[in-house]
Amino acid sequence: DAGVIQSPRHEVTEMGQEVTLRCKPISGHDYLFWYRQTMMRGLELLIYFNNNVPIDDSGMPEDRFSAKMPNASFSTLKIQPSEPRDSAVYFCASSSGQGYYNEQFFGPGTRLTVL
Amino acid sequence: AQSVAQPEDQVNVAEGNPLTVKCTYSVSGNPYLFWYVQYPNRGLQFLLKYITGDNLVKGSYGFEAEFNKSQTSFHLKKPSALVSDSALYFCAVRSLYGNNRLAFGKGNQVVVIP
Repeated sequence: DAGVIQSPRHEVTEMGQEVTLRCKPISGHDYLFWYRQTMMRGLELLIYFNNNVPIDDSGMPEDRFSAKMPNASFSTLKIQPSEPRDSAVYFCASSSGQGYYNEQFFGPGTRLTVL
Repeated sequence: AQSVAQPEDQVNVAEGNPLTVKCTYSVSGNPYLFWYVQYPNRGLQFLLKYITGDNLVKGSYGFEAEFNKSQTSFHLKKPSALVSDSALYFCAVRSLYGNNRLAFGKGNQVVVIP
């Protein structure tokens, strides 16, 4: 089992540029979550999908952030335009079933640096 | 809304000594409780969970946790710590009333001293 796959692992960009983060969940999982981790704010849930449909995007900080899940095996998180305060590690996670009592499986993360 | 408190920023323990990482929670209804571990430059890894039943839950790598409803706590324990247990540990809680959101604590850095 390959686990949750994220790309790129590291991204360095300049303020104002568009950034796209990618995630492939574990096959068969029907929930997908995007998190952001910073020293100041810890681990924050940005958005999650169930069966490719966004369920809760209340954690998305601003309109500059958008997420899509065009099919069961792929999701993107886009930031446009990026700002230095977006610098963080972004994690994708997936889980199966009802989700309330099932653990989430995390990818290795994408470390984003916005200069 | 559900929330988790991990009161200590860092836990230092000598190798071979018992390790305890504290967690208290606040939730409406019955809690579903989880512990995750994060090694440097890695994603979070699931350790164990409490859903229902026995209050003492056993998980990966020799870890266990005890659910205490009256104290609203779910402390993580290991009888004998290893240097390789040095990592960041997260407690998390979810409830049926939480719209499937998993609320994470701020994390505890565990340092096991050889």
